[in-house]
Amino acid sequence: QVTLKESGPALVKPTQTLTLTCTFSGFSLSTSGMRVSWIRQPPGKALEWLARIDWDDDKFYSTSLKTRLTISKDTSKNQVVLTMTNMDPVDTATYYCARVYGGTYFDYWGQGTLVTVSS
Amino acid sequence: QSALTQPASVSGSPGQSITISCTGTSSDVGGYNYVSWYQQHPGKAPKLMIYDVSKRPSGVSNRFSGSKSGNTASLTISGLQAEDEADYYCCSYAGSSTYVFGTGTKVTVL
Repeated sequence: QVTLKESGPALVKPTQTLTLTCTFSGFSLSTSGMRVSWIRQPPGKALEWLARIDWDDDKFYSTSLKTRLTISKDTSKNQVVLTMTNMDPVDTATYYCARVYGGTYFDYWGQGTLVTVSS
Repeated sequence: QSALTQPASVSGSPGQSITISCTGTSSDVGGYNYVSWYQQHPGKAPKLMIYDVSKRPSGVSNRFSGSKSGNTASLTISGLQAEDEADYYCCSYAGSSTYVFGTGTKVTVL
């Protein structure tokens, strides 16, 4: 059974760096073909893809946010970490992690974690 | 990348069929057969409904079907039911291991 769960601070101040952790089970990121992405959704708005990390440690980022994002993995802990620098109120959103299957779609999602950016 | 364009809302009566469109470009929807659709109920995580344009994951009702023509993909829900009332998002692979989501469509069952 595949599960994912996001964790991190609920509130960050403007200009701070956000660190989110995705802890998953039911698959291993050391297995060929496995991939995990981060996706966010501002309140009342659409989903936005942020980043992806692959089993071979390849990393890919949204063009518009790539200068602020870093994705990494700890295979031994079954965790994927996303950091986003220079947070702004417009970054207020629910952040989801999801497994990427076949490189083309997101088959399992975490429950999401709401991050509010405010002073 | 610009978000894929979806109608803001679509409605239908129980039992009817509705279709949600998802328009992109030749760099995303038109360039790959990798369009997926997600259903999201309020306060919940998205759920995969269709992948690779027209494939249905195990457990998803066969009332949901997908197709694509050129730069536009479509999701059709037949035999509309009250439980289908939700937001729906399309997503396309956009090359170089990146993805783009649609603007989202609110489906209302009248």
